[in-house]
Parts: sequence; C-alpha cells; structure tokens
Amino acid sequence: QVTLKESGPVLVKPTETLTLTCTVSGFSLSNARMGVSWIRQPPGKALEWLAHIFSNDEKSYSTSLKSRLTISKDTSKSQVVLTMTNMDPVDTATYYCARIPGFDPWGQGTLVTVSS
Amino acid sequence: QPVLTQPPSSSASPGESARLTCTLPSDINVGSYNIYWYQQKPGSPPRYLLYYYSDSDKGQGSGVPSRFSGSKDASANTGILLISGLQSEDEADYYCMIWPSNVVFGGGTKLTVL
Repeated sequence: QVTLKESGPVLVKPTETLTLTCTVSGFSLSNARMGVSWIRQPPGKALEWLAHIFSNDEKSYSTSLKSRLTISKDTSKSQVVLTMTNMDPVDTATYYCARIPGFDPWGQGTLVTVSS
Repeated sequence: QPVLTQPPSSSASPGESARLTCTLPSDINVGSYNIYWYQQKPGSPPRYLLYYYSDSDKGQGSGVPSRFSGSKDASANTGILLISGLQSEDEADYYCMIWPSNVVFGGGTKLTVL
C-alpha cells in the first residue's frame, strides 16, 4: 500500500523559512519515472502546484514561486523535503505531497499557518 | 502559467448525470494533453479519479466506479468529467489538471447533489 505523510511546523512567522518533509512508503524514491510533488491549498481555495522531483533528481518549480522554493530527496530515508523562504500570511495553506506521475495517492496534508 | 477554467458550481439530482467541464486557454490544444480529474471532499485530501487522453488512452483510478468517465470536446477546447447515476456521496469539489511543461490545476467545481 502506497502512503505519503507530510510533517512540519504548524505555525511559522512572517519572513521565516518553512521546511516540510514528505515521508513515503510502499514505493521507492528510486523507482524509475516516479517522484513526489508538493501542492498547497489555502483555506477554501483551489489547489496550487508547487514543485516536484523525480527519481532521476529532475526537479521542476512553479514559475511564480520558483525563487522561494527548493525541493530535494533522501532516497535512503524515503523522504522528500520542500523549503519555502520568506513566508507570508498569504502562504497559509494545507500543504500536500502526492506521488507522481498521476498525483496518486495524496498525503493527508498539513496545515501551515503564517502569523506573528 | 496557463489557466484552466472550471465553473465554480454545478448541481444535479440523484440518479441524473453531471457533466463537469475544464476549459483550456486557446494557446493550449486539449487534444495534445492528458486531462486528469480529482475529487475532494471536505476535510480530506484530493483523490485521483481518472485521466483521459483519448478513447484508446485513458485510465481509471483504483476503486473508482465506472460511472465516472472522461472525454474531450475539441471544438470547445474542453475536458469533460461525466458522472452518471449520481449518488449523494458524489457531492464534492472536482479539480482538473494538465501537465504541459509545469502542472496546472483548475479552480475547481463544487458539485451539489440535490
């Protein structure tokens, strides 16, 4: 059974850097043509794709957020890490990770609130 | 970043069919891309439903009933999710997605089963 689980801080202050970890099980981050993507959803709003990383270490970022995002993976730990710098209250959202391609399945998500 | 347009809301009665649309911008040809569909219920993460490229290239998510199906309307540059035999449990938000160079999600449609 494939599962993904997000972890990270519940609350961050404006200007701080957010670090989120996605721990996967049921598949390996070294599986060919597979990877993990990060997506966020502000309360009551639509999904927004952030970034992804494939098993060959190919990375891609949202054009609008590229300057603030870094994605990496630790295959031995089955983890994918996303960092987002200079957090702002508008970044308050539930952050999800999902297996790609296909975005199936998704983790349960973690709500991150940005507030002083 | 391209924008996928979905009607904010749709409604239908139990047993009827719901046709949810996802319109691509004019500079992106719907015929060239897989259209992915996701269902999200309150308090839950999105669930993968299916993808549709053509009648000979499509896929259903694990455990997704066959009454969920995809199609395209090339004349309208639109992807379509058809839900037949609506059930109360189908009430949810539905998102489309495409992956030209970067991933793009639509704004979502809230489906109400009356």
